[in-house]
Amino acid sequence: AQSVTQLDSQVPVFEEAPVELRCNYSSSVSVYLFWYVQYPNQGLQLLLKYLSGSTLVESINGFEAEFNKSQTSFHLRKPSVHISDTAEYFCAVTRNSGNTPLVFGKGTRLSVIA
Amino acid sequence: KAGVTQTPRYLIKTRGQQVTLSCSPISGHRSVSWYQQTPGQGLQFLFEYFSETQRNKGNFPGRFSGRQFSNSRSEMNVSTLELGDSALYLCASSRDVGAEAFFGQGTRLTVV
Repeated sequence: AQSVTQLDSQVPVFEEAPVELRCNYSSSVSVYLFWYVQYPNQGLQLLLKYLSGSTLVESINGFEAEFNKSQTSFHLRKPSVHISDTAEYFCAVTRNSGNTPLVFGKGTRLSVIA
Repeated sequence: KAGVTQTPRYLIKTRGQQVTLSCSPISGHRSVSWYQQTPGQGLQFLFEYFSETQRNKGNFPGRFSGRQFSNSRSEMNVSTLELGDSALYLCASSRDVGAEAFFGQGTRLTVV
């Protein structure tokens, strides 16, 4: 079975500073990895995903994540955060062979301070 | 293209009652998953349906059940509600089991 650990439950950061949200996964098989973002009173929105190919994946709003198989990590980074990035971020994993649901971490609440 | 639609958005029920939540997936998506989100437990998987068949099930008691119709719309039912069932219930649809999932805005259930 797969599992996900998000090492930080809360991350406060000043506006325009860089941020890294950490995600480690556990799986005995090859996986697909995802980052989702949740704004208050909303559902989850897909931020970016790793399915195969380049280990560095990027989102349209400046976030990026790097799949590191040896360290079983998929950390999310942004070089300069904005107030609007304040939200909860969830890392998720599933087997790349399909037929298994997404398993989510417990989330990291990113608070951007003006 | 319409997104995942969940109804109702908010619901207040009394202990012991039962409730039915509805989810309409994105057109063409045959897989529907349900998750319970609470502050303490995060996102916990309830069950997943694909082409009207339950493919996967999480570790929830039998009071939680679901079904999927031929048009891929799904419902989940919770019977004999308990205070601890208060949560945001999220539905996600995808083309197939384990593929990229698209979430609805959720139904916030409050049990009093």
